[in-house]
Amino acid sequence: EVQLVESGGGLVQPGRSLRLSCAASGFTFDDYAMHWVRQAPGKGLEWVSGISWNSGSIGYADSVKGRFTISRDNAKNSLYLQMNSLRAEDTALYYCAKDISPIIAAAGTENWFDPWGQGTLVTVSS
Amino acid sequence: QSVLTQPPSASGTPGQRVTISCSGSSSNIGSNTVNWYQQLPGTAPKLLIYSNNQRPSGVPDRFSGSKSGTSASLAISGLQSEDEADYYCAAWDDSLNGHWVFGGGTKLTVL
Repeated sequence: EVQLVESGGGLVQPGRSLRLSCAASGFTFDDYAMHWVRQAPGKGLEWVSGISWNSGSIGYADSVKGRFTISRDNAKNSLYLQMNSLRAEDTALYYCAKDISPIIAAAGTENWFDPWGQGTLVTVSS
Repeated sequence: QSVLTQPPSASGTPGQRVTISCSGSSSNIGSNTVNWYQQLPGTAPKLLIYSNNQRPSGVPDRFSGSKSGTSASLAISGLQSEDEADYYCAAWDDSLNGHWVFGGGTKLTVL
């Protein structure tokens, strides 16, 4: 069974850092791209970042570019999100999601996210 | 403001057919496939429809998707109480360096 388990969330002050982790099991991790998607309380879904199977292609939402860094360790079947200079608007439930493809996506390709983890909550507040 | 536009709410009675729209642009829906996700209350999103109109195994055929031009739709026929959830459309957007975009979500209420 494919499983994604996020961890690392918590309460953090504005301007500080936090590192999220996603432990994957039940599939060949280095065959697939991975993503982080977040959901602010009572709000919709927002794609945060994605990384290809070999870390050769990485993408970020404009809202986090320059502050967040996605990475993966295929030997440990793990995905990470380093979040720096956190802001109140970064408060959200952060989901890890598996892509169906080795690459994030490109024009004309067919990608989707399946499955998603249960999420880890990040609260940015003083 | 989400890049993809969905109605914030929809409703229907058991047995009815409901459709949820998703409007985008040439850089996203107009040139890439659309996926739909279902989020039941208090749970993580789950893939419902991929590649415009394909159902993953285990998803009832009451759910169907379609796409035309820069818009897509999700239809749910034979509405059931367990269909009460939030529904999100998503597509790859080719603009700038490329990024995934979601609709704002539609909360479906079964009356």
